[in-house]
Amino acid sequence: QVQLVQSGAEVMQPGASVKVSCKASGYTFTRYYIQWVRQAPGQGLEWMGWIDPNNGDTSYAHKFLDRVSMTWDTSITTAYMDLNRLRSDDTAIYYCAREFSAGGAFDVWGQGTMVSVSS
Amino acid sequence: QSALTQPASVSGSPGQSITISCTGTSSDVGSYNLVSWYQQHPGKVPKLMIYEGNKRPSGVSNRFSGSKSGNTASLTISGLQAEDEADYYCCSYAGNRLDVFGTGTTVTVL
Repeated sequence: QVQLVQSGAEVMQPGASVKVSCKASGYTFTRYYIQWVRQAPGQGLEWMGWIDPNNGDTSYAHKFLDRVSMTWDTSITTAYMDLNRLRSDDTAIYYCAREFSAGGAFDVWGQGTMVSVSS
Repeated sequence: QSALTQPASVSGSPGQSITISCTGTSSDVGSYNLVSWYQQHPGKVPKLMIYEGNKRPSGVSNRFSGSKSGNTASLTISGLQAEDEADYYCCSYAGNRLDVFGTGTTVTVL
């Protein structure tokens, strides 16, 4: 079946970097954008950006432009999201999702990766 | 790139209809019929309920419908049921290869 499986929870120090992985299976990896969305504890969903696994094209939300990098490895059908210079307010669940239609239509989601930033 | 505005909470009795609004600008909601809606139960992953303004993915109840007028998109839930109690988020294409989510609405079934 179609699924996205993310890497496990992380506890990070402020100023460090975190890399979250998202392994796709059950469909042709290069046919759909992978989106990244985060949700701070008790807060709403926040769009971070996307990567096109067909060619590596990316688009990032303005607030993350200087701190985020989204990459991919077609050979293992895995997308990655790197966030650097972590702050306490980056503590959140980070989700990857498959976009099947434009306008935020994400039909398959990963289980989420909890990233905690604390000294 | 500001979040779309949703009411913090909406409530209704079983069997009633409720509508959740999602207000953006002429740069996002107003310019494109590319609004999606998500349902999220506590501790769960968001579930796509509506895409491209008014389309339902396979398996989503026809009690859920989407519409748009000007810069405001709406999600209507008819025949409200206890299982509809959840958080709901809109999401819109915002041009320039960007998307934006709404602030979220908690639906309570009385």
